[in-house]
Amino acid sequence: GENVEQHPSTLSVQEGDSAVIKCTYSDSASNYFPWYKQELGKGPQLIIDIRSNVGEKKDQRIAVTLNKTAKHFSLHITETQPEDSAVYFCAAHLYNQGGKLIFGQGTELSVKP
Amino acid sequence: DTAVSQTPKYLVTQMGNDKSIKCEQNLGHDTMYWYKQDSKKFLKIMFSYNNKELIINETVPNRFSPKSPDKAHLNLHINSLELGDSAVYFCASSQDFQGTASYNEQFFGPGTRLTVL
Repeated sequence: GENVEQHPSTLSVQEGDSAVIKCTYSDSASNYFPWYKQELGKGPQLIIDIRSNVGEKKDQRIAVTLNKTAKHFSLHITETQPEDSAVYFCAAHLYNQGGKLIFGQGTELSVKP
Repeated sequence: DTAVSQTPKYLVTQMGNDKSIKCEQNLGHDTMYWYKQDSKKFLKIMFSYNNKELIINETVPNRFSPKSPDKAHLNLHINSLELGDSAVYFCASSQDFQGTASYNEQFFGPGTRLTVL
């Protein structure tokens, strides 16, 4: 069945460094790949997304890349700040299954001042 | 203004009880979802409704019954609660779900932490 693998599960960086989180999906019907940030005690919040017809997208300090052939997509955060500390989830959208989102396992990012 | 709201935020109850979680969205969206987040933070879809019609039902025990009185509300009723039902439940909504190659950003509510004792 459909599956999204996300790595690493935990990531610790120094403030100002870059952070990279990688995901792999299995279902070729996936056409949209959102990334969510979840802070403690809150719901997931969309931070960036990428469509299947685009290879890269950037929004200030965050960027996402997509390799459809390899079924890989990645989140890049540059110049990390302590407020970037949270759990990050990648997801794959299945348009042919009622818009279901399949989530990765999550990455707990810790940015040390 | 809160886009997707859930009540209650915390719910503590005994095994065997019946409880409900309410969700409302003021975004004018047609599609609403329920997700379950377990203790390892894994998020999994449970149900989705589009304009009051059930679209997704993911092998969830029939003790869980979603109810959508109108497209702005999707409530989750759980009968005969079990210890394994303890989790955080998130409601979400999107403009549409589309059976074709369309994309729909899903907005999540703040979650309801259910603890079954």
